[in-house]
Amino acid sequence: QVQLQESGPGLVKPSETLSLTCAVSGYSISSGYYWGWIRQPPGKGLEWIGSIYHSGSTYYNPSLKSRVTISVDTSKNQFSLKLSSVTAADTAVYYCAIDSSGFDYWGQGTLVTVSS
Amino acid sequence: QSVLTQPPSVSGAPGQRVTISCTGSSSNIGAGYDVHWYQQLPGTAPKLLIYGNSNRPSGVPDRFSGSKSGTSASLAITGLQAEDEADYYCQSYDSSLSGGRVFGGGTKLTVL
Repeated sequence: QVQLQESGPGLVKPSETLSLTCAVSGYSISSGYYWGWIRQPPGKGLEWIGSIYHSGSTYYNPSLKSRVTISVDTSKNQFSLKLSSVTAADTAVYYCAIDSSGFDYWGQGTLVTVSS
Repeated sequence: QSVLTQPPSVSGAPGQRVTISCTGSSSNIGAGYDVHWYQQLPGTAPKLLIYGNSNRPSGVPDRFSGSKSGTSASLAITGLQAEDEADYYCQSYDSSLSGGRVFGGGTKLTVL
């Protein structure tokens, strides 16, 4: 059974960089698939942030592209998200997921609040 | 403003059939990209409900079905149950976003 677990600070100051990691168990990232990040502001819908292939190639949401970096560490079987210059509008639950035929498996999500 | 348009809410009585529409355009659904559907119960992560337009992952009841035609897709739920009350999202891909993933705005299903 594939499991994903997000981790990282729950509070980030405005203008700083949000950093999250998604640890994967039950499947080797290097075996294939894309791996994605999705977020959901409180009370709102889902927004795709970006996805990375196990080889490192990436797709980013154009609306966030200038601020987003997604990377993969196959040795640790995890992938990461960095979102720079955050504002209150970046407050959301952040999910990581396997990006295959749809987002097959999801982490439980982690709430990140942007506030001073 | 989502690239894919869903009704904000639908409702139905137990045992009834409801459908949720997902309307796109020629750069996403109409371009032949697959549509996937997710169910999000309150306070939980979304769960893949339908993939590849009409396929159910293992464990998803056959009360849930998906279809696609032209620039739109639909999720149908038959034999509505109280536990089906949730938010539902469609997702596809968009050629104008270099194949980037796009979600619908979500539909709240209320079981009366």
